[in-house]
Amino acid sequence: LAKTTQPISMDSYEGQEVNITCSHNNIATNDYITWYQQFPSQGPRFIIQGYKTKVTNEVASLFIPADRKSSTLSLPRVSLSDTAVYYCLVGPLYMYSGGGADGLTFGKGTHLIIQP
Amino acid sequence: DAGVIQSPRHEVTEMGQEVTLRCKPISGHNSLFWYRQTMMRGLELLIYFNNNVPIDDSGMPEDRFSAKMPNASFSTLKIQPSEPRDSAVYFCASSLVEESSGNTIYFGEGSWLTVV
Repeated sequence: LAKTTQPISMDSYEGQEVNITCSHNNIATNDYITWYQQFPSQGPRFIIQGYKTKVTNEVASLFIPADRKSSTLSLPRVSLSDTAVYYCLVGPLYMYSGGGADGLTFGKGTHLIIQP
Repeated sequence: DAGVIQSPRHEVTEMGQEVTLRCKPISGHNSLFWYRQTMMRGLELLIYFNNNVPIDDSGMPEDRFSAKMPNASFSTLKIQPSEPRDSAVYFCASSLVEESSGNTIYFGEGSWLTVV
């Protein structure tokens, strides 16, 4: 079972780049890394997913080193509206291949607070 | 697309009463998930279905909880009898899980349950 460890909380300021790191020392060969964002009173929302190296979309970038034992979610030029909880999940891309609910398990997440 | 639709959005009920939460997944999705979120325990996966069949219900807290998915467009989570400790936000989520593309999960807005 791949477990994840994230900082409980982080603070930053508008316009800054924010990097949230997730540790997953027991990641399996067929595991992917997925990040979700949750605003108060809403359900989590998919941000980005990757397997190795770097993935970038219109919202964020995901950096995964060669050993894949950690990953970093990078949010460029944050604004107040990026204040949310960010979750890192690790599990097989295809959940019915044997990994079960690994990739569906949310930890405590990282509470990111952006200040003016 | 309307997204995952849950009802009711808010419910306040008395201890001992039966509670039924409803979910309409995104059309075309083949997997459905029920989560519960509390401050103390975070987001917990209760049960998930694939093609209307329950795959893993190990997260269901006790026999008072039951979930059904009679067809691809509807699922219920029932608590009978309800207890104050069941007070939480219950999220339904769905996904099109395919071997080639994985399982991005789309969450509903949640059903806020208060048992007094």
